[in-house]
Amino acid sequence: RKEVEQDPGPFNVPEGATVAFNCTYSNSASQSFFWYRQDCRKEPKLLMSVYSSGNEDGRFTAQLNRASQYISLLIRDSKLSDSATYLCVVRGNYGQNFVFGPGTRLSVLP
Amino acid sequence: ETGVTQSPTHLIKTRGQQVTLRCSSQSGHNTVSWYQQALGQGPQFIFQYYREEENGRGNFPPRFSGLQFPNYSSELNVNALELDDSALYLCASSPGGGLNTDTQYFGPGTRLTVL
Repeated sequence: RKEVEQDPGPFNVPEGATVAFNCTYSNSASQSFFWYRQDCRKEPKLLMSVYSSGNEDGRFTAQLNRASQYISLLIRDSKLSDSATYLCVVRGNYGQNFVFGPGTRLSVLP
Repeated sequence: ETGVTQSPTHLIKTRGQQVTLRCSSQSGHNTVSWYQQALGQGPQFIFQYYREEENGRGNFPPRFSGLQFPNYSSELNVNALELDDSALYLCASSPGGGLNTDTQYFGPGTRLTVL
């Protein structure tokens, strides 16, 4: 089983739609959680960190469920510019590296 | 832009050759991590350098090696290239703390093709 798994995708949604991405991780000792965005043939960029209490940044909401080892990202009112691959990233205890999921590709259609 | 630069942007090599990729970290960052991203997959951690020493390594064979210089720039060396080494190689710099930092900034990557 992979350490970090994500919805296989791709997701093709119309502009204005709400879309949710799911991610599960296997290491129960994981401490830090992130969503990164990667545009085609570009480097990953941090979208947001994910906290136990959940957090929101404009149209983006991230949730963490430690008991279920599950992370989600919700995008409301999708824009064409949201088209990208969304990477779930998990980090274990101190001294451990970042583990990336395979990514879920989103295409927002006009 | 993150301020992290990588060179070259693209590279074509043949099986069995050796390659060196370079990364300049963002000003003030003393930690550089290297990742391999195969097509359609997420980045896989290769290793990290913190203050010129290797500070963690992923599941990659010894033919993947690296260096960090006093100015914190870094090199990734791959010997005896294999076809499966074809990938985007990303470096990420962090503002200190080695692996105990949650902030990393990626460079644009080097796309390596092995024929």
